[in-house]
Amino acid sequence: DVKVTQSSRYLVKRTGEKVFLECVQDMDHENMFWYRQDPGLGLRLIYFSYDVKMKEKGDIPEGYSVSREKKERFSLILESASTNQTSMYLCASETRNTIYFGEGSWLTVV
Amino acid sequence: SQQGEEDPQALSIQEGENATMNCSYKTSINNLQWYRQNSGRGLVHLILIRSNEREKHSGRLRVTLDTSKKSSSLLITASRAADTASYFCAQGDSTLGRLYFGRGTQLTVWP
Repeated sequence: DVKVTQSSRYLVKRTGEKVFLECVQDMDHENMFWYRQDPGLGLRLIYFSYDVKMKEKGDIPEGYSVSREKKERFSLILESASTNQTSMYLCASETRNTIYFGEGSWLTVV
Repeated sequence: SQQGEEDPQALSIQEGENATMNCSYKTSINNLQWYRQNSGRGLVHLILIRSNEREKHSGRLRVTLDTSKKSSSLLITASRAADTASYFCAQGDSTLGRLYFGRGTQLTVWP
């Protein structure tokens, strides 16, 4: 079975903190994604990656960066967390036009 | 924005009834997909229909696609309480793996 694992399910961080959200997939997929999901706004793509050390901006990259040093791992970084980044973050990997999602990370910035 | 739209935003039915959700999109597509999300969880892929297909079935799910109207529908037959979830359509464009998600339909099935 396909598995995408997000290391933290629930986080509470302070404004200005640097936040790392980690995601690992075990399917050897080349494509990985970070989405943000907010009520009434659906899923919005933050960043995606087609290969190791490659990254592409999605629709809302401001305030975020990513790292992909190994094929199985795709990290989302909030350089200086702000309250408007309180949200649910979903990591995903893709093969044959099908996206497999992790369980999500609920981030609250106070 | 290339984001599609699901309709209705919320749907409430009794067990055994059929549930129909619609999706409209704006641009040309390679494929259209439907996903399901249980409350507080990640999304799960349900079905993919390619742009040259008009209808597809998977168990109790039936998806139709009308590219001339840029619309799709998802029908769940004989619904169960366990079908309660949010359902999202997503449009796949020519960029590998890039999907545009709508805002979802919240389906509630009462026992």
